[in-house]
Amino acid sequence: EVQLVQSGAEVKKPGESLKISCKESGNKLTRYWIGWVRQMPGKGLELMGFIYPSDSDTKYSPSFQGQVTISADKSINTAYVQWSSLKASDTAMYYCARWGYYNSSGIHVAAFDIWGQGTMVTVSS
Amino acid sequence: EIVLTQSPATLSLSPGERATLSCRASRSVSGFLAWYQQRPGQVPRLLIYDASNRAAGIPARFSGSGSGTDFTLTISSLEPEDFAVYYCQQRSDWPLITFGQGTRLEIK
Repeated sequence: EVQLVQSGAEVKKPGESLKISCKESGNKLTRYWIGWVRQMPGKGLELMGFIYPSDSDTKYSPSFQGQVTISADKSINTAYVQWSSLKASDTAMYYCARWGYYNSSGIHVAAFDIWGQGTMVTVSS
Repeated sequence: EIVLTQSPATLSLSPGERATLSCRASRSVSGFLAWYQQRPGQVPRLLIYDASNRAAGIPARFSGSGSGTDFTLTISSLEPEDFAVYYCQQRSDWPLITFGQGTRLEIK
């Protein structure tokens, strides 16, 4: 069974850098798009962007373009999101999720079907 | 950007009752709409994809309908574990997918 395992919670100060990770357990990361989703405290879900680890093709949501960098290392089945200078407003839970899979009937399902457990990032002085 | 508006914001019902949640898109998304459930402290779970198809392992009491701009998630008879927040999400504008703001389904 494929799992996405994210790195642990982080507490950082404003201005610090950070890179969080999402490792896929089934050695199939390169076959799917991986999305990163932000959930601020008590709020809804927001897409940050997608990466296709096979060739590192990356697509950002406009609100996150220039604010974060999404990357992947296919050799270790891991995707990342990083910040160069954190702000208090980056405090949130961050999820990685697999986008697109073939179900048992061979039908392609274009949705987020497997989610990581989430990484809580707290930015506070 | 396609904006998804969910209603109501909060729905208060009792176990055994029928729940009807709505999602309206700012422009047509055809049938490219999914629904997710997020229980407190848990990760989101895919319920419905492409408007009306249940994901693997999702109970038959969950059903989705709609096309274009108006969509509905129906839970035919609420179980205690169904009280959660529900999000709709469109993929018509992929990769610029968007989520609705959520409907909180609470126990009355």
